[in-house]
Amino acid sequence: DAGITQSPRYKITETGRQVTLMCHQTWSHSYMFWYRQDLGHGLRLIYYSAAADITDKGEVPDGYVVSRSKTENFPLTLESATRSQTSVYFCASQGRVNTDTQYFGPGTRLTVL
Amino acid sequence: GENVEQHPSTLSVQEGDSAVIKCTYSDSASNYFPWYKQELGKRPQLIIDIRSNVGEKKDQRIAVTLNKTAKHFSLHITETQPEDSAVYFCAASPIATGTASKLTFGTGTRLQVTL
Repeated sequence: DAGITQSPRYKITETGRQVTLMCHQTWSHSYMFWYRQDLGHGLRLIYYSAAADITDKGEVPDGYVVSRSKTENFPLTLESATRSQTSVYFCASQGRVNTDTQYFGPGTRLTVL
Repeated sequence: GENVEQHPSTLSVQEGDSAVIKCTYSDSASNYFPWYKQELGKRPQLIIDIRSNVGEKKDQRIAVTLNKTAKHFSLHITETQPEDSAVYFCAASPIATGTASKLTFGTGTRLQVTL
C-alpha cells in the first residue's frame, strides 16, 4: 500500500480557485485512475490513464483536468473549484501484466467553501 | 454505460453469524467483479474478485458467487467477527486481460458486526 501516495491529504479551498491533487506510485504500474467518493454514490471514475501521455474520461470528468507526463505521477486539477466538487478523492493504480487488481491511495479530502 | 446496484445499504449481524451482500449489474459485457472493503477513514482494499468464467470463488471466510444469466453477484462472509465491520463495495468492469479495469461501483453496504 505504501507504493501509492497522495498529497495533500486534506485541502480546503474557495470557489473559483484552481486546485491540484497529486498522486504518485512506485510500482511502475501502467494504469492509473482518479475516483471521487460521495455519500450515496460510492466511488465514481473521473479520469484514467493507460500510460504516459495517454488519458481518457471516466464517468464524471466535467470540471477536472489530468495529465501524465511521467508513468509514476498522475495529477488531477480542478481548474475552477465548485462546492459540488467537495469530496474525497482517491487515486488508484493497476499493473498491466497478469493482474486486474486496482490498488488505492490513502485519499485526499477536499472541501470547497 | 454500466449500472451497479447494491443491497442492502446497511446490515447488522451478530458475531458468528453470516452476512450476504448482493449486487446486480446491467452491462452483459462486464466480466470482472471485485469486492472492496473500506474501514472508516481508510482507503478501499480488495478482498476478493471473480471473473465471469468462474461461478464461485472462496478465500477462507469470504466467498463470492456470480450468476451471469441473472447478472448478479454476491459476497458471503461466514463466522463474522467485529473486525469485519466496515463498508463493502461491489464493482463491475468489462475488461480484457492486460487492459484497464474501468470499474463501476455499487453504492456500498455498511456492515456492523455486534457482540
